[in-house]
Amino acid sequence: AQSVTQPDIHITVSEGASLELRCNYSYGATPYLFWYVQSPGQGLQLLLKYFSGDTLVQGIKGFEAEFKRSQSSFNLRKPSVHWSDAAEYFCAVGISSGNQFYFGTGTSLTVIP
Amino acid sequence: SQTIHQWPATLVQPVGSPLSLECTVEGTSNPNLYWYRQAAGRGLQLLFYSVGIGQISSEVPQNLSASRPQDRQFILSSKKLLLSDSGFYLCAWSVGGTGSRAFFGQGTRLTVV
Repeated sequence: AQSVTQPDIHITVSEGASLELRCNYSYGATPYLFWYVQSPGQGLQLLLKYFSGDTLVQGIKGFEAEFKRSQSSFNLRKPSVHWSDAAEYFCAVGISSGNQFYFGTGTSLTVIP
Repeated sequence: SQTIHQWPATLVQPVGSPLSLECTVEGTSNPNLYWYRQAAGRGLQLLFYSVGIGQISSEVPQNLSASRPQDRQFILSSKKLLLSDSGFYLCAWSVGGTGSRAFFGQGTRLTVV
């Protein structure tokens, strides 16, 4: 069965510090991979996605993610976090055998001044 | 441009009462439609998805059902709500295969009392 794991439930970083949010997936083939952000009171917004090709993908708001097939991971990174980045982050997998998306449990990010 | 409407934004319902959440999409044809639930500590859980009118796939057996009476309308229902049905419900759509991104509604906060 497909699954998405975000091992960090909650992360706290200082403003200006670097950030890495972890995501691991379980799927028999190479999936389509996504990172979404949910800010307080707002809907889900797509940060970036990976389909194929270059394993390092750039997204909006200065985020990037790297697909590592050997580790079944798709970790999200940002070199310098801003206070406005405080939100819930979801990793998602798209399954090509059907039109399904599966999400991780989310990582809540707190940014302290 | 495509838009997705989901209502109501918040809902408080007594245990045992029925439920009907509606989601409509504008600006696209034959979308894939999804219902997700976000429960505390559990992330986004795929409940139902639909690839066409009258075609509903259920991911998790539960007290809920879904229907797609029209191409761009997706309804989440329950005959008798349980306390455990409380949560944040998100409707989403995509077109093409799951390589395409999903677009999300603003969600409905359901509290069963």
